[in-house]
Amino acid sequence: DAGVTQSPTHLIKTRGQQVTLRCSPISGHKSVSWYQQVLGQGPQFIFQYYEKEERGRGNFPDRFSARQFPNYSSELNVNALLLGDSALYLCASSRGDSNEQFFGPGTRLTVL
Amino acid sequence: GIQVEQSPPDLILQEGANSTLRCNFSDSVNNLQWFHQNPWGQLINLFYIPSGTKQNGRLSATTVATERYSLLYISSSQTTDSGVYFCAVSNNQGGKLIFGQGTELSVKP
Repeated sequence: DAGVTQSPTHLIKTRGQQVTLRCSPISGHKSVSWYQQVLGQGPQFIFQYYEKEERGRGNFPDRFSARQFPNYSSELNVNALLLGDSALYLCASSRGDSNEQFFGPGTRLTVL
Repeated sequence: GIQVEQSPPDLILQEGANSTLRCNFSDSVNNLQWFHQNPWGQLINLFYIPSGTKQNGRLSATTVATERYSLLYISSSQTTDSGVYFCAVSNNQGGKLIFGQGTELSVKP
């Protein structure tokens, strides 16, 4: 079975631009979570979606938004990019909203 | 919210040595996972262990939920074990995983 997939793998943007990151969960998984990992730190929770509904939101500004589609894939959008948004963005999927999570390879975003 | 502390922050070993990584958490949890982050950034699942003991080859883990800690044991370490090991917990608040700061392991040949 395929694991969690994310696209793109790398992305370079300039300040003020907008970005959309994509994630496809493991087949049969209905929950997708997004995390941000800056260099030298552990991942920080951004959002969780389960059955297309937002189940949790971390301490991130409103510039960050997400959605989950009927096929359980998900998009993370970040508007008005700042230099501090440069990070590895990780997507995880799980069967339910409180089960073991499996991570994708991540999207490395650089904001110049 | 839950606090997660991992120790030690850094560890250098010779190939073949054994090691123990510790994860302390500040509240009851219903999910605890150990991950190995490879040099490309991917988090590899090692154990899903909210309680009890599990073994997988040279790795084993024990979580004592009542005392709020978990231990990851690595035996006969290999250079490929190098990387950052993360502990992450959840207490059922929207499935949010809270990560520790990680232990960076370096295994020398």
